[in-house]
Parts: sequence; C-alpha cells; structure tokens
Amino acid sequence: DAGVIQSPRHEVTEMGQEVTLRCKPISGHNSLFWYRQTMMRGLELLIYFNNNVPIDDSGMPEDRFSAKMPNASFSTLKIQPSEPRDSAVYFCATTLGSGSNEQFFGPGTRLTVL
Amino acid sequence: GQQLNQSPQSMFIQEGEDVSMNCTSSSIFNTWLWYKQDPGEGPVLLIALYKAGELTSNGRLTAQFGITRKDSFLNISASIPSDVGIYFCAGRGGSNYKLTFGKGTLLTVNP
Repeated sequence: DAGVIQSPRHEVTEMGQEVTLRCKPISGHNSLFWYRQTMMRGLELLIYFNNNVPIDDSGMPEDRFSAKMPNASFSTLKIQPSEPRDSAVYFCATTLGSGSNEQFFGPGTRLTVL
Repeated sequence: GQQLNQSPQSMFIQEGEDVSMNCTSSSIFNTWLWYKQDPGEGPVLLIALYKAGELTSNGRLTAQFGITRKDSFLNISASIPSDVGIYFCAGRGGSNYKLTFGKGTLLTVNP
C-alpha cells in the first residue's frame, strides 16, 4: 500500500526564492496536516485540512507561508519568499475522519534555504 | 499553550538493556501517543493510550497513561540495535485533532 507521498525529498534554494512542497495523502484519508520539524522547536503543526477545507491555520508562521488542498489527493505548502530560518524538515500527515485517529506521516521534505 | 517536557533528551545504552523515557505536561491530555522516527523518515505510531491509568504493550514496548493525565512513560525491554531512533511523545487535549509533541529522546543502542 502506498503511504503518504511527499515531494521533493530534499530542496536546496536561495533566500528569496519560492518553494513549493507537495503531498499526496493516503487514498481515502480526508484529514491532512502539515508539520515543520526543527531541532529548536521540535514538531509543530502548521495547518490542518479536513475534507479539503482549511480548519486550523493558526500554526502558519507568517504570510510568506500558504497551503492549499485543491482536491482530496493533493496538497501544497508554499513559501514565498523563502528565508534561511525556514530551513527545516516539513512533514505531511493524513488520517481518516475528523483528525482524531492515527496520523500517518510522510517521509518529509528537507528544506535548506541558503 | 500546552507544553510537553520529554526526558531524557538522549540515551546511550548497551544492547539488551531496558530503557525508560517519559513526558510530562503542563495541562491535562485526553490521549497520549508514542512515536518512533528513523533517520530520513517520518514518525511512526508505536502505542496509543486513551484512558488515565491505561497500560498498553506492543511487543517489547510498554507505555502508560498517567493517573493525573499529565504524564506518560514508555519502556523498551531488552533493547536491540534496530531500536535506535528518536522517540516522541505526543498528547491530545481538548481539540480532537491537534497533537502537541515532545522534543524527542534520541536512543542509541551499542551492539
């Protein structure tokens, strides 16, 4: 069975560039989460979608960050413009139902902003 | 906001030893979860706890949901080299979806 698919796995970019991270949820999962992981702050929830609708975006750091879920099988997290402090591992996780069930994490995208 | 303190931050043990790690919270949780993260991968759920006092095992792993609902521990018995990784606790409070994660315990097992 295919798990959560994220792309790219690694991204190196220069400050000021636009970065787009992609996630394909497990088929049938209708809740999707974007997390950011850093050494300093650990795993932080950025945004939560349920049935393609953003429910909680209180974790999105600032206006440079945006996320979309145009359909049940695709989500993007965009950073524009990127800054060095955005360097982190970004995870997508999905689950069935309203989000209270087990969250299945993707392999993550390691982002480095120079 | 809710905060989780996870300890220890790291452990270096010999193969065959038992391991214990714990998390404490500044507020009450309704669910405690323990995850393991291997290098270059996302966290994988090991054990889920849903009731205060609950003690649950998964093979050599045992976890408990503290009576006060503000703490949880994870024990690993007879550690093996593949237990190496980062172990995270996570708690869910009033919200039915939002998880608060601990900073992780890095476990190294010396063969």
